[in-house]
Amino acid sequence: AQKVTQAQTEISVVEKEDVTLDCVYETRDTTYYLFWYKQPPSGELVFLIRRNSFDEQNEISGRYSWNFQKSTSSFNFTITASQVVDSAVYFCALSEAPGAGSYQLTFGKGTKLSVIP
Amino acid sequence: DTAVSQTPKYLVTQMGNDKSIKCEQNLGHDTMYWYKQDSKKFLKIMFSYNNKELIINETVPNRFSPKSPDKAHLNLHINSLELGDSAVYFCASSTPGLAGDSYNEQFFGPGTRLTVL
Repeated sequence: AQKVTQAQTEISVVEKEDVTLDCVYETRDTTYYLFWYKQPPSGELVFLIRRNSFDEQNEISGRYSWNFQKSTSSFNFTITASQVVDSAVYFCALSEAPGAGSYQLTFGKGTKLSVIP
Repeated sequence: DTAVSQTPKYLVTQMGNDKSIKCEQNLGHDTMYWYKQDSKKFLKIMFSYNNKELIINETVPNRFSPKSPDKAHLNLHINSLELGDSAVYFCASSTPGLAGDSYNEQFFGPGTRLTVL
């Protein structure tokens, strides 16, 4: 069975600090997909990134970067120069190779990030 | 245009009632999902459905049933509502794509906050 662990329940940082959100996953499949979603206080789920298990290349998008390491089953998310608007709950999620076209997501419990001005 | 929409946004009802939440997607996706987010923000898959198969999470009570009148809609019916059903319910959709490609991003609706009194 697949599992996603986000050990950090809550993190507080001062604006402009860098912060890394940890994500560790478990799966028996060799083909799988990893995701990060952001849930701001308004409640919607905002897609941030998708990574498949064939591609370990790290990715940077503006102030966001992701470090995927299969050797440690981790997919960590770093926000550089954090801003108050980054305050949200961040979810890491895993999807295994689909059955009948279904990509069910298994979510971690989320990390609540508070950026203090 | 809204990609995945849900109605209603808020639903307050009494224990024992039967209610439905509607979900529509205009993305042409083949697969739709229902997730439940509890009071601790934990997101868990309830169902995934495409025109071939309904996959039910075994922990979901049979009081919950998805109904799909067509490919663009997946409604959630709940019978005999209980206090523990209070949660935010998210609908999502995705296109299956092929293993190894990237067409599996899940697009989420805005959520329906259900409160059972």
